[in-house]
Amino acid sequence: GDSVTQMEGPVTLSEEAFLTINCTYTATGYPSLFWYVQYPGEGLQLLLKATKADDKGSNKGFEATYRKETTSFHLEKGSVQVSDSAVYFCALMAAGGYQKVTFGIGTKLQVIP
Amino acid sequence: DSGVTQTPKHLITATGQRVTLRCSPRSGDLSVYWYQQSLDQGLQFLIQYYNGEERAKGNILERFSAQQFPDLHSELNLSSLELGDSALYFCASSVVVQGNEQFFGPGTRLTVL
Repeated sequence: GDSVTQMEGPVTLSEEAFLTINCTYTATGYPSLFWYVQYPGEGLQLLLKATKADDKGSNKGFEATYRKETTSFHLEKGSVQVSDSAVYFCALMAAGGYQKVTFGIGTKLQVIP
Repeated sequence: DSGVTQTPKHLITATGQRVTLRCSPRSGDLSVYWYQQSLDQGLQFLIQYYNGEERAKGNILERFSAQQFPDLHSELNLSSLELGDSALYFCASSVVVQGNEQFFGPGTRLTVL
């Protein structure tokens, strides 16, 4: 079945450091890929997405590129802020069907001033 | 604000009891999803409904059931509660179009004592 593997945290960075959170997936066909973010005490919200190979999703300084050849969708940000502290979930939506979404385990990011 | 509402926000109950969690999807969304988030299991997909019909089932226990009503709101029923059922329960909704994201509610925190 479909699966998403992402690095376990917590990841602790200083403000203005470069961020990479790795995500790889296993799925048949061409799934859509997502990064969701969960701030403390809140539900998940979409950060960015990509729906086909080589697409780059971007939002709030975060970027991720859909790499079919390496089945990856790594999240990057050039300069993190304290306000980026949250849990980040990589997810895939299987192609076709009724949009079943498979989530990774989540990576907790802590940014210290 | 995602437009998805969940009630109640918090629920404290005893083992063996039964509870009902309620979700109202965003206006126009026909699909509703239920997830369980616990510290040791991460975010687990439970069940999906589309326009009143069950469409996909994940790791949902037999003690749990759900339904979606004609007005599209959904309820998740948890019975014979155990300590291990303590978790955050999220509802999400979406328009069923490939590549579209899910919108998450704020969650219901269930504590079983």
